[in-house]
Amino acid sequence: DGGITQSPKYLFRKEGQNVTLSCEQNLNHDAMYWYRQDPGQGLRLIYYSQIVNDFQKGDIAEGYSVSREKKESFPLTVTSAQKNPTAFYLCATGQGGETQYFGPGTRLLVL
Amino acid sequence: GENVEQHPSTLSVQEGDSAVIKCTYSDSASNYFPWYKQELGKRPQLIIDIRSNVGEKKDQRIAVTLNKTAKHFSLHITETQPEDSAVYFCAASWDSSYKLIFGSGTRLLVRP
Repeated sequence: DGGITQSPKYLFRKEGQNVTLSCEQNLNHDAMYWYRQDPGQGLRLIYYSQIVNDFQKGDIAEGYSVSREKKESFPLTVTSAQKNPTAFYLCATGQGGETQYFGPGTRLLVL
Repeated sequence: GENVEQHPSTLSVQEGDSAVIKCTYSDSASNYFPWYKQELGKRPQLIIDIRSNVGEKKDQRIAVTLNKTAKHFSLHITETQPEDSAVYFCAASWDSSYKLIFGSGTRLLVRP
């Protein structure tokens, strides 16, 4: 877990604004994931990437976009199309079919 | 697609008692079952996992059992302590899958 960093810890978004959440890992894992967690709720998969330059939509991809230009990095952009973005965003890494390890998370709030 | 159901959603036990959380999965191809513990405001952390070639695994006060025939697996915590209070998530996966399918979570409260 110590090999996954997310920034910022807290992020504030204004109406109509796109914001980008950072996720970096030094575990040399092939796969990276983004989850959304609403208060008191479970984990919902937004996007995942099995390999550089490739990614797939999860269960709630609408209003989000990602890129995977480097193995170590998997940034998530919350676009203005996501009307209810307030949540705890968790990045995870893993090696296909194996354990996923989570980063410390970013808490996104709407102003 | 694969679905994982987790019960109960909340569980309150007296310190020192045992706690059991049960998950049921739908895809018989599933062969990897991790359990995560999430403390308030923190990230989920892996506490124990089991593969389908093993029926039970223990690590100190926690254990996981797997019944492949019934397609369910359970987390057992013995001699519970207040610091065991957290939300616990089960999950399931299978070879060649890059996705973990998570249960909805169980909020465990250990009363001192």
